[in-house]
Amino acid sequence: GAVVSQHPSRVICKSGTSVKIECRSLDFQATTMFWYRQFPKQSLMLMATSNEGSKATYEQGVEKDKFLINHASLTLSTLTVTSAHPEDSSFYICSARAPGSTNQPQHFGDGTRLSIL
Amino acid sequence: AQKITQTQPGMFVQEKEAVTLDCTYDTSDQSYGLFWYKQPSSGEMIFLIYQGSYDEQNATEGRYSLNFQKARKSANLVISASQLGDSAMYFCAMRAGSARQLTFGSGTQLTVLP
Repeated sequence: GAVVSQHPSRVICKSGTSVKIECRSLDFQATTMFWYRQFPKQSLMLMATSNEGSKATYEQGVEKDKFLINHASLTLSTLTVTSAHPEDSSFYICSARAPGSTNQPQHFGDGTRLSIL
Repeated sequence: AQKITQTQPGMFVQEKEAVTLDCTYDTSDQSYGLFWYKQPSSGEMIFLIYQGSYDEQNATEGRYSLNFQKARKSANLVISASQLGDSAMYFCAMRAGSARQLTFGSGTQLTVLP
């Protein structure tokens, strides 16, 4: 069964709306979660690393004020796309790695398709 | 810096045949892990197989096997007895050294033909 749950799976909203996406680890505590963005037919682009109890680490070129990340507990990270515009439309997907050895894979949520009208 | 290269944007294979998806990597770290993920059109990322840099045997998981050639820095995925449900995007990824995040390749779109 799924070990990482992401919600919602699809969002369609008007320009200017803020959208919150949740990522939950179901079977383990995740001190670190990752947020990716993916354009059609392209690879996953890491946006930021979410750290429980501290600030997220953003990749170069990702606007911190645009993509707010909160990791308030060991099982939940949220990504808020603030004042979303059509260019923010994309597929967003989160992941987390279960603690343990380095061969543990990252488990991904099912992703969120965001469409801004 | 770590880099993953997948040189095949698209591949076709006949049902029941085997197919190899190429992946080469570059890292200066001695300790690293290589992962393959499958992404169907629905979007979810499905973990397939893992190979550690110190593993002497090639990894296998059911119909998936990893052809690990360390000297060539390649970690090709072999899918045996292809099924129609194998049609998807396949990503090779690496985590090296102390890095927490994965570095992904550009992916290969596999289409299995009936």
